[in-house]
Amino acid sequence: KQEVTQIPAALSVPEGENLVLNCSFTDSAIYNLQWFRQDPGKGLTSLLLIQSSQREQTSGRLNASLDKSSGRSTLYIAASQPGDSATYLCAVNGNQFYFGTGTSLTVIP
Amino acid sequence: GAGVSQSPSNKVTEKGKDVELRCDPISGHTALYWYRQSLGQGLEFLIYFQGNSAPDKSGLPSDRFSAERTGGSVSTLTIQRTQQEDSAVYLCASSWASGGAYNEQFFGPGTRLTVL
Repeated sequence: KQEVTQIPAALSVPEGENLVLNCSFTDSAIYNLQWFRQDPGKGLTSLLLIQSSQREQTSGRLNASLDKSSGRSTLYIAASQPGDSATYLCAVNGNQFYFGTGTSLTVIP
Repeated sequence: GAGVSQSPSNKVTEKGKDVELRCDPISGHTALYWYRQSLGQGLEFLIYFQGNSAPDKSGLPSDRFSAERTGGSVSTLTIQRTQQEDSAVYLCASSWASGGAYNEQFFGPGTRLTVL
């Protein structure tokens, strides 16, 4: 069974810092990997989707990379802002989606 | 266009009662997923539908849980004889299909269920 791990579980950084969130998975037979953010009491918002044939995707200040062979993905957030504070989840898509437990990010003004 | 919607947004019920949660997926999405998120926990997969059929029901925690989907659109998740441990946020998501490199999930806002 696919297992998805996210490290660190929590992260606190001062505003303006660049940061990296990590996601690892055990089965490389995936269609794609998706990064989400979840604000307290809300559903999940899709940030980026990387297809299995791709190595990275960018959207604004966000850049996600995928190394399928090693079972790793990173989400890079540039010039962090207080509004980036949320829980970030990665999900790998085999025949169903497997989610990590998330990284809780706090950006301090 | 409209996103995934869920109703009710909040549900408080007494232990032993049945509850029904509803999910309206994005129009045209053939795959629909149900997840449960308990306080401070990750997402727990419950069931997914491809069209009206459910290829994978492995995540349903007990036989008190059931789900159906009709017309390839709306889905209902039913919990019978609710227990306090059923208290959680129930999230629904939809996607164009259940597999493939372009398959992207879109989530609804969730239903917060509280069993007293």
